[in-house]
Amino acid sequence: NAGVMQNPRHLVRRRGQEARLRCSPMKGHSHVYWYRQLPEEGLKFMVYLQKENIIDESGMPKERFSAEFPKEGPSILRIQQVVRGDSAAYFCASSPLGALTEAFFGQGTRLTVV
Amino acid sequence: QKEVEQNSGPLSVPEGAIASLNCTYSDRGSQSFFWYRQYSGKSPELIMSIYSNGDKEDGRFTAQLNKASQYVSLLIRDSQPSDSATYLCAVNRGTGFQKLVFGTGTRLLVSP
Repeated sequence: NAGVMQNPRHLVRRRGQEARLRCSPMKGHSHVYWYRQLPEEGLKFMVYLQKENIIDESGMPKERFSAEFPKEGPSILRIQQVVRGDSAAYFCASSPLGALTEAFFGQGTRLTVV
Repeated sequence: QKEVEQNSGPLSVPEGAIASLNCTYSDRGSQSFFWYRQYSGKSPELIMSIYSNGDKEDGRFTAQLNKASQYVSLLIRDSQPSDSATYLCAVNRGTGFQKLVFGTGTRLLVSP
């Protein structure tokens, strides 16, 4: 959905560098979700955030990954010391309310670690 | 057992036919279900949502839910080549928020 803006669309990082992925939710949406899609695999939930709060991060790897959604500005998914296994498409989704409203996805950021 | 299971396909149908896509889920307490379409290299696009047993129709698409059988399906009538994509079934596992568990998707090929 064009309303959820992610940047960059493509990101190439060398092993050991940091990757920062940005997501601006649709106007009026205060709930942001990050999903990861590894090659030939399904989408996997990573984290759910509301403004200034991480609500559920049960899908986040324990190390190197962090997410934030500050009061002002986009949500950021940060991957430190990237490894080749982090290469994937990272999708952000947003919704205006909770469980009973649909989530709309951004175009994704395709991270390649070389 | 995977939480959400789909046949990976490909499912091949001729143009104008009905495509039937199926999905089963393991958590009997699941309440909301979604079908997304994903073209190669693109993001998932919401096609249908369904919350109650029975059928829900939207244009050429009909979603069917049977909670007793833990089964969700998507019917696409008058299939078009532009419907060729991977169809993802998703089940919400969140309490009070969207925590979608996706199947690996069924690839649909509609031949002219």
